[in-house]
Amino acid sequence: GESVGLHLPTLSVQEGDNSIINCAYSNSASDYFIWYKQESGKGPQFIIDIRSNMDKRQGQRVTVLLNKTVKHLSLQIAATQPGDSAVYFCAENISGNEKLTFGTGTRLTIIP
Amino acid sequence: DTEVTQTPKHLVMGMTNKKSLKCEQHMGHRAMYWYKQKAKKPPELMFVYSYEKLSINESVPSRFSPECPNSSLLNLHLHALQPEDSALYLCASSHLQGTNYGYTFGSGTRLTVV
Repeated sequence: GESVGLHLPTLSVQEGDNSIINCAYSNSASDYFIWYKQESGKGPQFIIDIRSNMDKRQGQRVTVLLNKTVKHLSLQIAATQPGDSAVYFCAENISGNEKLTFGTGTRLTIIP
Repeated sequence: DTEVTQTPKHLVMGMTNKKSLKCEQHMGHRAMYWYKQKAKKPPELMFVYSYEKLSINESVPSRFSPECPNSSLLNLHLHALQPEDSALYLCASSHLQGTNYGYTFGSGTRLTVV
């Protein structure tokens, strides 16, 4: 079946550098995407979302880019901090359908 | 209130026990979800309730029984579980319409079946 996947299972980044986490999705009908951060022992925490009528959306220190041509999603975190260490999931949804499907996740480790 | 509250945070139960997980939200969300998450894996959808009615059951074994008493509460009744059912059980809620669905997750119940 169709699923959402991630290119890299782990990513190590120097503190202060920018991080880029990638996600590939295969369901062309998906039109709503969310990035979640999950710290150990906690539930997924909403970071940022984007709809398919947008290519880019910015939040505080985070930017999500959507390339519908190649079905690719990325999360950019500026000036990473130790508190950014976590597992990051992308998730996709089709409007009108309650189901939210998660990708496999990327563990981000910040090197002091 | 912008939270989804789950209780208990931790639960250890035997294979013959009956227990319930509880979830509560007061954001006016009309969709509520149960997810199961094994270690180092993404959350997997189990059930969806829309307007207090079960709308999605992802072929979950009958030893898991969901219940939605009202628009703010969601329960998951557990009976005769197996050790492989040990996992983090996550509750979530969302709007069903609008431009921002606001999918929000609780912190989960860490379940251990012995």
